[in-house]
Amino acid sequence: AQSVSQHNHHVILSEAASLELGCNYSYGGTVNLFWYVQYPGQHLQLLLKYFSGDPLVKGIKGFEAEFIKSKFSFNLRKPSVQWSDTAEYFCAVNGGGYQKVTFGIGTKLQVIP
Amino acid sequence: NAGVTQTPKFQVLKTGQSMTLQCAQDMNHEYMSWYRQDPGMGLRLIHYSVGAGITDQGEVPNGYNVSRSTTEDFPLRLLSAAPSQTSVYFCASSYGQGAEAFFGQGTRLTVV
Repeated sequence: AQSVSQHNHHVILSEAASLELGCNYSYGGTVNLFWYVQYPGQHLQLLLKYFSGDPLVKGIKGFEAEFIKSKFSFNLRKPSVQWSDTAEYFCAVNGGGYQKVTFGIGTKLQVIP
Repeated sequence: NAGVTQTPKFQVLKTGQSMTLQCAQDMNHEYMSWYRQDPGMGLRLIHYSVGAGITDQGEVPNGYNVSRSTTEDFPLRLLSAAPSQTSVYFCASSYGQGAEAFFGQGTRLTVV
């Protein structure tokens, strides 16, 4: 069975600080990897995704993530966060077949102006 | 751009009552699913459908029923509400296996 682990449940940063959110997954085969963001009171929306090819993936709003297969990791990064990045971030893995999308428990990011 | 539409946005039920959460998408997606979101537990899959007439159970199906008579609609039925079903429910759709999921705005359900 596949699983997703997000290491940081609550992160507080000042504006302009750099961000890295950890995500590790367990699955023996080929995976599709996602980061979703949920702004306060809103639904989840896609930040970025990795299916194949370049392991460094760029998403919306300056976010990027790097797939490191040997470490089963897909960490999310942003060089300089803004107050508007305050949200909850979910890592998700799909290990083959629509029904096997598994979400992590989420990381709440609070950016202080 | 309607996307995925869920109704209602908020609902309070008494224990034992039944109700249906509605979900409709206008993107002609084959795949639809229902998740519940609880603090500290992320999103957990309740039921999913790979096309009209085809549904299957997810991780936490007990107490919920679904049907998929059309491509557009995927309602979730609570048969006899329990306080443990207090949660935020999200419907999602996608165009293929492993593809990006588009989420509805969510339904916040409280069972008292």
